[in-house]
Amino acid sequence: GEDVEQSLFLSVREGDSSVINCTYTDSSSTYLYWYKQEPGAGLQLLTYIFSNMDMKQDQRLTVLLNKKDKHLSLRIADTQTGDSAIYFCAESMDPGNQFYFGTGTSLTVIP
Amino acid sequence: DSGVTQTPKHLITATGQRVTLRCSPRSGDLSVYWYQQSLDQGLQFLIQYYNGEERAKGNILERFSAQQFPDLHSELNLSSLELGDSALYFCASSGYGQRGPQHFGDGTRLSIL
Repeated sequence: GEDVEQSLFLSVREGDSSVINCTYTDSSSTYLYWYKQEPGAGLQLLTYIFSNMDMKQDQRLTVLLNKKDKHLSLRIADTQTGDSAIYFCAESMDPGNQFYFGTGTSLTVIP
Repeated sequence: DSGVTQTPKHLITATGQRVTLRCSPRSGDLSVYWYQQSLDQGLQFLIQYYNGEERAKGNILERFSAQQFPDLHSELNLSSLELGDSALYFCASSGYGQRGPQHFGDGTRLSIL
């Protein structure tokens, strides 16, 4: 449950869709999460998906989970400049709700 | 607002000193987690407490210690500080045994001069 990987950087144009990817190694994870961190701020919970689900949509955010490939993605539709931030994926494990975070993907939105 | 409160927001101190960081979890959350975020090492889990007891340890140095008090607030003590301890320290809380998100405070930025 400790190897959660993300690409480091992503640039998109304003109005386009962004897709941030994450791979994890532990198939016994319970939930998978996406957090957003703006400069100088804490981690803000964006959305999460239970490990037996394939997809979850929440307004502009769509989470896709491929359990077979241990691949998680976050799609942001109509990306805005305010979406520029670092995005972390995390998997949680029992017992104790231990979290394992990825390295974070820095999203830059170009006006 | 996550409901998790961390104080102070900023700390500037010198090598060899000792500091205490404080965290108040969200109302009703029994679990508190501490993390260190530095530029070169990313977000590192340090330690978890549940209802006053230590539950899990991560990459926490022996110079660091933590505790959770009966009112559920937690303190992280950092001693014999080194330049490399400069980082953002986050506290998060969740309901133990209930699968669900951790909610993060805004962090304490520690600068060692």
